Amino acid sequence: AQSVTQLDSQVPVFEEAPVELRCNYSSSVSVYLFWYVQYPNQGLQLLLKYLSGSTLVESINGFEAEFNKSQTSFHLRKPSVHISDTAEYFCAVSNSGGSNYKLTFGKGTLLTVNP
Amino acid sequence: GAVVSQHPSRVICKSGTSVKIECRSLDFQATTMFWYRQFPKKSLMLMATSNEGSKATYEQGVEKDKFLINHASLTLSTLTVTSAHPEDSSFYICSASRLSIPFSNTQYFGPGTRLTVL
Repeated sequence: AQSVTQLDSQVPVFEEAPVELRCNYSSSVSVYLFWYVQYPNQGLQLLLKYLSGSTLVESINGFEAEFNKSQTSFHLRKPSVHISDTAEYFCAVSNSGGSNYKLTFGKGTLLTVNP
Repeated sequence: GAVVSQHPSRVICKSGTSVKIECRSLDFQATTMFWYRQFPKKSLMLMATSNEGSKATYEQGVEKDKFLINHASLTLSTLTVTSAHPEDSSFYICSASRLSIPFSNTQYFGPGTRLTVL
């Protein structure tokens, strides 16, 4: 069984400040890792993912996450946030093997960027 | 690419009626589609996994006779909530994964359907 822990349910920050959203996972097998973002009353949008290769992955809007196998973490970071980054962020994990890539989600972190 | 749509975006129905929600992959073929339910301020709960042309696999605790899933083609899956009750009110989200490797390991989500049962 897999599990995902997002330690912070809410993270308030000021505009242009750096932010880190924490994600830890538990799994007995190799995994793929994902961050999804959800804006109010909308579905989830894929922000970035780690499948293999470089442990540092980046999104087009300035977010990055680093896969740390020894710490079983996949924290999401952005050096300078904008008001428009206000949203719910979900970390998710799936098995890297098999043909059915079911996702296990964390409970989400609400990022609120204040002016 | 990888756009998933859902219809309707919002639906209000009376208790006891049935509601059908459609999930379509618009620009790719999806071997597998997933249906989730999201409660307010909660994470997503996987309800079932459907593969084109075969029966859906339901998660433990999800009533298959209440939540009917049909995956008729590589671009369409439907979820029918039968005999809806107020406790079925929720935000339902579908996702789809692409047919071709290496994209088959990523799920692309629809915009969700808000169901309110009166």
